[in-house]
Parts: sequence; structure tokens; C-alpha cells
Amino acid sequence: DQQVKQNSPSLSVQEGRISILNCDYTNSMFDYFLWYKKYPAEGPTFLISISSIKDKNEDGRFTVFLNKSAKHLSLHIVPSQPGDSAVYFCAASEESRDDKIIFGKGTRLHILP
Amino acid sequence: KAGVTQTPRYLIKTRGQQVTLSCSPISGHRSVSWYQQTPGQGLQFLFEYFSETQRNKGNFPGRFSGRQFSNSRSEMNVSTLELGDSALYLCASSLKLAGSYEQYFGPGTRLTVT
Repeated sequence: DQQVKQNSPSLSVQEGRISILNCDYTNSMFDYFLWYKKYPAEGPTFLISISSIKDKNEDGRFTVFLNKSAKHLSLHIVPSQPGDSAVYFCAASEESRDDKIIFGKGTRLHILP
Repeated sequence: KAGVTQTPRYLIKTRGQQVTLSCSPISGHRSVSWYQQTPGQGLQFLFEYFSETQRNKGNFPGRFSGRQFSNSRSEMNVSTLELGDSALYLCASSLKLAGSYEQYFGPGTRLTVT
């Protein structure tokens, strides 16, 4: 049972435009959500997280929005840059399960020149 | 602040041998997780240690074990190596505070089993 789902395997966005990466989850007990970026043959790089008590968190070009009623979150990257081309992972954790981090399968983002 | 460090960065071992990988977390981080990353399976969770106790465990055989020391440094051991154990082994340290949860990965140890 996949608790964290990234339904779009890939996404192409023009350089300078907004990239929106989506993530759905099934477990309403998740209390934190995290986003990572990953380049080939490297480990993931932590980008930003959001607590379930918030609906928005911003850090530079990255903003995460959380819609608890829809069990949906999204990562916005504005403006998109060539170096943003990577695989993006959404993840979630639940305090009652010792904060174990559950990863989605990732979305590959292509930034087009 | 220094990031997560892992040693060694590269290892070549032969089948049947055993290997120990080391991880030093970010100062102040008490949680250390280990992951195996392969092209075919992606990122797979091995186990997590918090304050010297294994708190979470993935679905790997008992040949994979770990431990955490009082200074939060962690080691991972793989015994009786198999060809399929060739992978990038990643360590990540995390810190959860009121309002934030961050997890940072180290550069990894690339293990090749021949």
C-alpha cells in the first residue's frame, strides 16, 4: 500500500516558468512532509519540509503548499532554472511510528531552455 | 556547520567478505538512517538509529546490521557479501523540532562486490 504517491512520473517546464510538483498521501496521521531533489548517481538533497499544522512554507524559490482535506501537497519552484532538472521526491513521516520517513517514487523534472 | 560525512567513499570487496561503513551525522542530530540505492530498486530504507537504539527497520536480511554510538556516529555492517549488495549506501541524519523536520544525506559509500 503506497502511502505517498507521486502520480506524474515526469514533467517538462520552460526555463523561467513555474514548476509544480504534486504529491498525494493516504495516511491522515502524517505530521511532517518533506521534499528532496536527486541527481543521477547521487543521494537525495533535502529541500524543504512542512508541518501538518501549516498550509504553506517558503524557502527562496521553493514553496510547499499543503491541503490536508484533500491529502495533497505541492512543491512550487519559481522561477525554474536549468539546474532544477532532477528527480523530486515527496516524503512523509508519522510521529506515532517513530518518525519513519516514507518516500514517494519521485517525479522527473525537465527544465527546457 | 559540517554536513553528513561517510567513510570510505569507495570500496571494492569480494563475495563472502564483510564490510563496515561509517557515518558521522550533523552536529546535534541524534537520528541516523541508512539507505541502499541501486539503479533498479531506487532508494531503499535499511534502518534508523536514534539515541543508540534501532528505532525503525526496513526489509533487509540479517546480514545487514548497524549500531549507533553515544556521540551519534553510526556504523553499518554487511556480512557475507553477495554480488547483489553492490550499491550506493547512503547515511542520513535528521533533526525534528517543533515546526520543522529536516533530513540531510551524506555523499554515500559506493560498494562494489566482485
